[in-house]
Parts: sequence; structure tokens; C-alpha cells
Amino acid sequence: EPEVTQTPSHQVTQMGQEVILRCVPISNHLYFYWYRQILGQKVEFLVSFYNNEISEKSEIFDDQFSVERPDGSNFTLKIRSTKLEDSAMYFCASKGLAGQEETQYFGPGTRLLVL
Amino acid sequence: LAKTTQPISMDSYEGQEVNITCSHNNIATNDYITWYQQFPSQGPRFIIQGYKTKVTNEVASLFIPADRKSSTLSLPRVSLSDTAVYYCLVGSGGGADGLTFGKGTHLIIQP
Repeated sequence: EPEVTQTPSHQVTQMGQEVILRCVPISNHLYFYWYRQILGQKVEFLVSFYNNEISEKSEIFDDQFSVERPDGSNFTLKIRSTKLEDSAMYFCASKGLAGQEETQYFGPGTRLLVL
Repeated sequence: LAKTTQPISMDSYEGQEVNITCSHNNIATNDYITWYQQFPSQGPRFIIQGYKTKVTNEVASLFIPADRKSSTLSLPRVSLSDTAVYYCLVGSGGGADGLTFGKGTHLIIQP
């Protein structure tokens, strides 16, 4: 069964450093998403991406964040200058079709720890 | 976006049937009801989705009454590995809309 994959599974970085989280969505999917979950809290939507551009973003997704689909398979989230409060699990998700009944499939996540 | 209300936690025992009910009084005509399961340190996993009446798959059943103001996720014969957080989400799901997760129901299965 096709699945979303994410790398790395864990990332430790120093405050102020740039990090890039990588995702390979399910191959025939058209919509791509990033979510985060701070330890013990809810899963929060960050951004959605369709047709090579951002479709929707939350207030969390400020200028420190960017997304890119550099080739036909990868989808990346970049945090330009990490802060302590960026420590969280980051989940990538993808969805196949534009139909209402389609649902999002999540990857296993990247655990980011900012020191 | 329709607000959902579900119990914060539930306990049950192996082999039992577990029903988790979600209230969504303000559900819109074009909204679907979707349930996800999440284990610690893992991504949410899609369980089941429905619009009305009953939907069943190999994992669960979803019961939706005619007024669609609530829904019940039914897990038959649970095992210890069903211990997880279960989220009820309501939305049109169309286009690139992000999902809005609540706190979910923490289901604990005991031997």
C-alpha cells in the first residue's frame, strides 16, 4: 500500500539554525500539507500546497517557514531560523483528488528538537 | 467549520466493542465525517469516512443518524493495540483545505 514517507525521523538543531524537513507524498497525489504537533498538544495545520503554489496557510506559518516541491516527488518544509518553540513533531500529508470524499494520508513524522 | 465534541477519554477491555460518539451540531450540507487514529509519536492514520447512514470497513463502522448532528465510531472486539487517540473531523474536505484536529478521545484498552 502506498504511503507518505518523511526524513529524517529525528532532527536536533541549535536555535537560529536552518532546517529542512523532507517528505515524499504518495505518487499520484495532487495536494500536499504540513502539520505540526507540539508534545501533548493538538495536531495543527501549517500549510497546503497545490499546483506548485501555496493554497492555504495558518497563522503559524510565518515568514520563517517556506515550502517547496523541488522535483516530481519531494515536498520540503524549511524553517529558516529555528526557535525553541519550533520543537515539535512535523507531519506531511497528501491527498489524491479534488473530490470532497478524498481524505489526507499522513506520514510518520519528523521529530524536531531545537536546543 | 463545524465544531466537534467528543469524550476526552474512554476505557474498555480486550474483546469488547467500543463506541465513541462525536457531536457536530453545526455540520454543513456538504461536510463529511472522518475519523483518524493516532498512536504516540506517529502520524494520524485514516480509519473511516462517511456522509450519512452506516459505513463499514475492515477496521471499524461509522454510524450517522439522519440528522447528521452526531456520529459514532464503532470498533469491534478491541485489542490492546487499539489504545490510541481517536479524532472526529467534520469538513467538506474539498480542495486544499487543511484539517482541523481537536483534542480527540484517548481510548485505553486494558487486558
